[in-house]
Amino acid sequence: GESVGLHLPTLSVQEGDNSIINCAYSNSASDYFIWYKQESGKGPQFIIDIRSNMDKRQGQRVTVLLNKTVKHLSLQIAATQPGDSAVYFCAENRSGGSNYKLTFGKGTLLTVNP
Amino acid sequence: DTEVTQTPKHLVMGMTNKKSLKCEQHMGHRAMYWYKQKAKKPPELMFVYSYEKLSINESVPSRFSPECPNSSLLNLHLHALQPEDSALYLCASSPPPFNTQYFGPGTRLTVL
Repeated sequence: GESVGLHLPTLSVQEGDNSIINCAYSNSASDYFIWYKQESGKGPQFIIDIRSNMDKRQGQRVTVLLNKTVKHLSLQIAATQPGDSAVYFCAENRSGGSNYKLTFGKGTLLTVNP
Repeated sequence: DTEVTQTPKHLVMGMTNKKSLKCEQHMGHRAMYWYKQKAKKPPELMFVYSYEKLSINESVPSRFSPECPNSSLLNLHLHALQPEDSALYLCASSPPPFNTQYFGPGTRLTVL
């Protein structure tokens, strides 16, 4: 999962398995969270978002879980495919400040092995 | 049209050159952003335009000059850049209430 450090955290899974990518955030005032997928040489692609008044939100093959008690966010990818290989960033938007500023996590490199 | 486009895709420039990056969106989004991204790092915010006005400048050096000619276009003018400015430059846009940002494919800039 994502953590503070010099190296990009990595997750390696087998094709068809489920993947879980984790993210910790620090600001209790954050009330909006986003997951982005960034493939090599491309811009970040919006995957799914969740507001702080929700615990869970599902999309197509993806689920985001939010645990406000421990300030933890996770992205679950079902039946992971080779095309899911990318860097995944979580981002938080803090209320009480500028809505324009997203705070990004460090990113997690997901590698899917065929 | 549901995407943010950026041109050029790649740019190589010398330290004395002047060049511009262009970003365009036709989704009616009223906030547009420039980010800089180094390899294996998250994007770093540079500038924000909201309703065509500069709202945020994250203490970016003056060799980077943003411009928002209209609600669909965002430019980044480059002059006298340094090799350490080589990076992927990303444009993003967002609709009100500006919680979510949608990114373009980026311009890969190399400064020689």
